[in-house]
Amino acid sequence: DAKTTQPNSMESNEEEPVHLPCNHSTISGTDYIHWYRQLPSQGPEYVIHGLTSNVNNRMASLAIAEDRKSSTLILHRATLRDAAVYYCILSRYTGNQFYFGTGTSLTVIP
Amino acid sequence: GAVVSQHPSRVICKSGTSVKIECRSLDFQATTMFWYRQFPKKSLMLMATSNEGSKATYEQGVEKDKFLINHASLTLSTLTVTSAHPEDSSFYICSARGTSGRDQETQYFGPGTRLLVL
Repeated sequence: DAKTTQPNSMESNEEEPVHLPCNHSTISGTDYIHWYRQLPSQGPEYVIHGLTSNVNNRMASLAIAEDRKSSTLILHRATLRDAAVYYCILSRYTGNQFYFGTGTSLTVIP
Repeated sequence: GAVVSQHPSRVICKSGTSVKIECRSLDFQATTMFWYRQFPKKSLMLMATSNEGSKATYEQGVEKDKFLINHASLTLSTLTVTSAHPEDSSFYICSARGTSGRDQETQYFGPGTRLLVL
């Protein structure tokens, strides 16, 4: 299973953009890149996912490197409600199994 | 759309009893559902993949006789923790794979069930 590497923690000031990095150097051509976030005692919340092209939705943007060995989740304007653990996950379309890493704990400073 | 529910949200039981947790996809059909467990301050660990109408596929190290999974319909999967012991106390989370468009490429998670075995 392709692994992902994320910083353990990051801080951001409120109302500023946040760039959360993820390295996945062993990614294969059919692996999707997913981002979820989780608050304590809650299930993970879907943020965004992509395969090769950059993706935008109402929550965030996903920037995928040209060689696909890394990606960045971009929160355009951090709010206190964005404080959570963010997980970057790879999955194959055929099986779709998710193997979670340790994630990045994001702290948003008022 | 893409809402997944779990019931119960929390359960306390005595050691040796069995506990059933339900996972439902509310507004979509899910041919594939997944079960995870999460210990405090740890990441989610995939336990098994559940396909509608067939036997679940368990991850290495997960006891299939301990954690019984049934996926009898396109909107319901159940996890039964048999003869629960204190070490089974954990946060159990299910997810469902969407069946159309981009939803097929990802998973939607339930809110989780907190199990405490006394």
